Amino acid sequence: SYVLTQPPSVSVAPGKTARITCGGNNIGSKSVHWYQQKPGQAPVLVIYYDSDRPSGIPERFSGSNSGNTATLTISRVEAGDEADYYCQVWDSSSDHPGVFGTGTKVTVL
Amino acid sequence: EVQLVESGGGLVQPGGSLRLSCAASGFTFSSYSMNWVRQAPGKGLEWVSYISSSSSTIYYADSVKGRFTISRDNAKNSLYLQMNSLRAEDTAVYYCARTLPGIAGGFDYWGQGTLVTVSS
Repeated sequence: SYVLTQPPSVSVAPGKTARITCGGNNIGSKSVHWYQQKPGQAPVLVIYYDSDRPSGIPERFSGSNSGNTATLTISRVEAGDEADYYCQVWDSSSDHPGVFGTGTKVTVL
Repeated sequence: EVQLVESGGGLVQPGGSLRLSCAASGFTFSSYSMNWVRQAPGKGLEWVSYISSSSSTIYYADSVKGRFTISRDNAKNSLYLQMNSLRAEDTAVYYCARTLPGIAGGFDYWGQGTLVTVSS
């Protein structure tokens, strides 16, 4: 089955840029979605189809996807961005197509 | 406003059964495929099951195949997950999530989750 690998943690100072990677075999050929989850809350979609932002998500959140790595970028990081972030793909070639990444804890210093 | 409200969680003994429900409102439920996603305590997200808008296509994670059954009632705007032969490792918060339009869907709306605890 398809595997998505994320770094367990990323630390970033306020006002700086955080980059969260999501590695998978030829992930550039798939559509990647990203979720933010704060403690005790349900996940929230922050990027879909690699780089689109749902309404209400700040422009500081952006995404890219190429080769074997997809990246979620958070610019001008704020304290409120501290959360767990998960990438996800739909592996249409599989009979269990929903796949989440391992998750990354973003800490704002 | 899109709303998804799960119910039916609770404490159940190993080997027991539980039926989760998800009540949908604020959108045309019959037009969207739906999913169940779970999260064990302190762990990451795990996709559990998918059902298409007409129930014609259903998928399960290997970890639940043969034990869990997803279904929906479009007339009642409701999604269900029948869970049988429950194991300790099924302990998790279970979320229902709407699939994004398109062929490679993510999940654009989530419920608040319902906790299932499997323990003797």
